[in-house]
Amino acid sequence: QVQLVESGGGVLQPGRSLRLSCAASGFTFSYYGMHWVRQAPGKGPEWVASIFYDGNNKYYADSVKGRFTISRDNSKNTLYLQMSSLKVEDTAVYYCARDSYTRVLVTICFWGLGTPVTVSS
Amino acid sequence: SSELTQDPAVSVALGQTVRITCQGDSLRNNYASWHQQKPGQAPVPVIHDKHNRPSGIPDRFSGSSSGDTASLTITGAQAEDEADYYCSSRDSSSNHLGWLFGGGTKLTVL
Repeated sequence: QVQLVESGGGVLQPGRSLRLSCAASGFTFSYYGMHWVRQAPGKGPEWVASIFYDGNNKYYADSVKGRFTISRDNSKNTLYLQMSSLKVEDTAVYYCARDSYTRVLVTICFWGLGTPVTVSS
Repeated sequence: SSELTQDPAVSVALGQTVRITCQGDSLRNNYASWHQQKPGQAPVPVIHDKHNRPSGIPDRFSGSSSGDTASLTITGAQAEDEADYYCSSRDSSSNHLGWLFGGGTKLTVL
């Protein structure tokens, strides 16, 4: 079955950088678009970024555009989120998620367990 | 800006039927998906792309939509269905692609 395991979260100061990883298994990773979604404490989910199956097209929420970069390595079945110039308001659990369809970006569907990121001075 | 609107809280008697709705302009051209989240856990999809149920999700969960409103129906609600439910959809209305989530509906099973 679909398994997504995020890692790389932690506690850091504003302005610092962090890279999250998401190891995928149980499906053909290179066929599916992928997403990052975050959830601040006590809040609902918020879409962060998405990437096509081949990595050629990427999309970002306005709140992270210019600071976060989504990427993937299909040879390693791994999705990444490079976060820079972190702000206190970036504090959240970060989830990677797989799309429901192959080769297109349509639906945020299967979620990982999440990795927490806390930005605090 | 685009958004998805959900009722904050809904309650249902054990074994009865409940419908949770989600409203937004993006739903006119994009399918809704529904995610169940219990305290301290990651969200789990219960319906994706309007009416598809992932493997392992009980058939008491069903989805539908009409116009700008999508609905999640639980027929014969069980105690284990008590959770927060979030709708989501792609948003292709502006000049760039994005995804939206509703604010969530807290379902209480009485």
